[in-house]
Amino acid sequence: DTEVTQTPKHLVMGMTNKKSLKCEQHMGHRAMYWYKQKAKKPPELMFVYSYEKLSINESVPSRFSPECPNSSLLNLHLHALQPEDSALYLCASSQPQGRNEKLFFGSGTQLSVL
Amino acid sequence: KQEVTQIPAALSVPEGENLVLNCSFTDSAIYNLQWFRQDPGKGLTSLLLIQSSQREQTSGRLNASLDKSSGRSTLYIAASQPGDSATYLCAVGPISNFGNEKLTFGTGTRLTIIP
Repeated sequence: DTEVTQTPKHLVMGMTNKKSLKCEQHMGHRAMYWYKQKAKKPPELMFVYSYEKLSINESVPSRFSPECPNSSLLNLHLHALQPEDSALYLCASSQPQGRNEKLFFGSGTQLSVL
Repeated sequence: KQEVTQIPAALSVPEGENLVLNCSFTDSAIYNLQWFRQDPGKGLTSLLLIQSSQREQTSGRLNASLDKSSGRSTLYIAASQPGDSATYLCAVGPISNFGNEKLTFGTGTRLTIIP
């Protein structure tokens, strides 16, 4: 199984809503990532978990809250988002111990904030 | 700060042609370079990864080269097919990076293969 599964595929939410994005992988990878991608732009790193510990937080606003319940799961909790947060949110995973490990991406969640 | 540029931003070629996509980076202190493919509204698929000690990598009809000293990489696609239509992004990993955490992505080249 070389898949990273993200749910939901699409999400529309109001600025007062609370929602969560989910990501799951069963490749035994111990590093998991959240990226944000606006249309026609490259992905921007948001968070990195390595061995279930948050290792990188790229100064992301607190309305985005990551969670790594176990080595296979990664969540992104959303609260009080702004319309400019509308984007494709991508989850990825890799093995952290090697520098030459490929990143495996999920298909993403297309988020629209109204 | 590393900057990664991909020119052109868009490219259209007839089916069957060989083509080259370009990637330039400003800081040659890299550990590796990856090429990804992205279909519209989808995630990225890693195509090839070149370690800094390597000059090229091949997978099927794809060949990626790396010239660290000049800050360039190319992705060669042989005998292009309509299914190759996608956006292609390169990403570099710095020497200071432990893993993939601090990849810097290029802006991408949107490739269209005309049947």
